[in-house]
Amino acid sequence: KAGVTQTPRYLIKTRGQQVTLSCSPISGHRSVSWYQQTPGQGLQFLFEYFSETQRNKGNFPGRFSGRQFSNSRSEMNVSTLELGDSALYLCASSPTIGANYEQYFGPGTRLTVT
Amino acid sequence: AQSVTQLGSHVSVSEGALVLLRCNYSSSVPPYLFWYVQYPNQGLQLLLKYTTGATLVKGINGFEAEFKKSETSFHLTKPSAHMSDAAEYFCAVRADSNYQLIWGAGTKLIIKP
Repeated sequence: KAGVTQTPRYLIKTRGQQVTLSCSPISGHRSVSWYQQTPGQGLQFLFEYFSETQRNKGNFPGRFSGRQFSNSRSEMNVSTLELGDSALYLCASSPTIGANYEQYFGPGTRLTVT
Repeated sequence: AQSVTQLGSHVSVSEGALVLLRCNYSSSVPPYLFWYVQYPNQGLQLLLKYTTGATLVKGINGFEAEFKKSETSFHLTKPSAHMSDAAEYFCAVRADSNYQLIWGAGTKLIIKP
């Protein structure tokens, strides 16, 4: 089985712009979670989607949004980019929601905001 | 609130020596615990997980971890370090409210030749 794929791998944007990141989960996985990783804050949960519905959301401003399509692929969008949004954005998929299922991570998208 | 504490942002061991990475958690319910490894410029890979049952959990690459409820610990060990083990290791607990992962700050493992 192919793993979780994320596109693009690297992105450079200017402050004030918006960006869309894409994640394709492992085939058959229906849950997709997004995390932000920075040297200062570490790994922080952004949101989780399951069956095209946002199930959970972390403590991020409304500039961060996402969606999931019927084929379980997910996108996240960040509007009005700030310098502090520079981070590695990780997507993780899981067969379904629930405590017992481990999450499988993609390689991440490295976003640099200048 | 649940939390995870990893002692030591950097741990340095000699090749062939014992690896011990410490993780303590706080949880009001029986926890689900995970160790992940991250190599440079890569995503996270699951090393092992504890859900229920046997408290000594074996993972990939020769790593294992022991769940100790009385000490609220889930330390990661490997008997003999290899150069390829150099990476950053993250301990995580599953949040009981929304099942998301709550992460430790990570420990960078440095292997000396």
